[in-house]
Amino acid sequence: QQQVKQSPQSLIVQKGGISIINCAYENTAFDYFPWYQQFPGKGPALLIAIRPDVSEKKEGRFTISFNKSAKQFSLHIMDSQPGDSATYFCAASVGSGSARQLTFGSGTQLTVLP
Amino acid sequence: DSGVTQTPKHLITATGQRVTLRCSPRSGDLSVYWYQQSLDQGLQFLIQYYNGEERAKGNILERFSAQQFPDLHSELNLSSLELGDSALYFCASSVGTLSGSEQFFGPGTRLTVL
Repeated sequence: QQQVKQSPQSLIVQKGGISIINCAYENTAFDYFPWYQQFPGKGPALLIAIRPDVSEKKEGRFTISFNKSAKQFSLHIMDSQPGDSATYFCAASVGSGSARQLTFGSGTQLTVLP
Repeated sequence: DSGVTQTPKHLITATGQRVTLRCSPRSGDLSVYWYQQSLDQGLQFLIQYYNGEERAKGNILERFSAQQFPDLHSELNLSSLELGDSALYFCASSVGTLSGSEQFFGPGTRLTVL
């Protein structure tokens, strides 16, 4: 129930194209859904996040679409650039009081070709 | 730079040994999280501390332990090391633990067990 399933495992997109990464979860107690971007040799960094009471959130070229009934959410990267080449992780957060933990998807390695 | 520091950056040791990884959270952050990243298991939550107290536990082995000190820095102790413990270990911190509290990740410690 704590699992977050992410697909695809890898994605190759041409510069200017749209990158789409999908995630699904089971635990309805998750209350926050962040996406992290990780470059080789670096720690993950928050890219964009959404709460389950919102169906879409857009920040620049990055958009999260959230479907609460289907328990699915996705990241869309518009006008993909070579600098976007990185590993992307969806995550789901659950907590109570001062306890909180993130469950990560398995990651998507995105390559944007110039 | 997330503001979270981890030492050492690299650690090479032998099976059966014990090591200590150190994390200094961002100034003002009360919560510290430890994650393990390996090729086969992905990014996995290990344990969370809030203001010196353990608050959440994930897939942490009994051979592993952690603590958070009064100055809020944290240490992750790994003992009786096995080859399979070779991984990247990340520390993250957040100012609070409510839904939406962003976790900032450090650069990680790469542990190699020979």
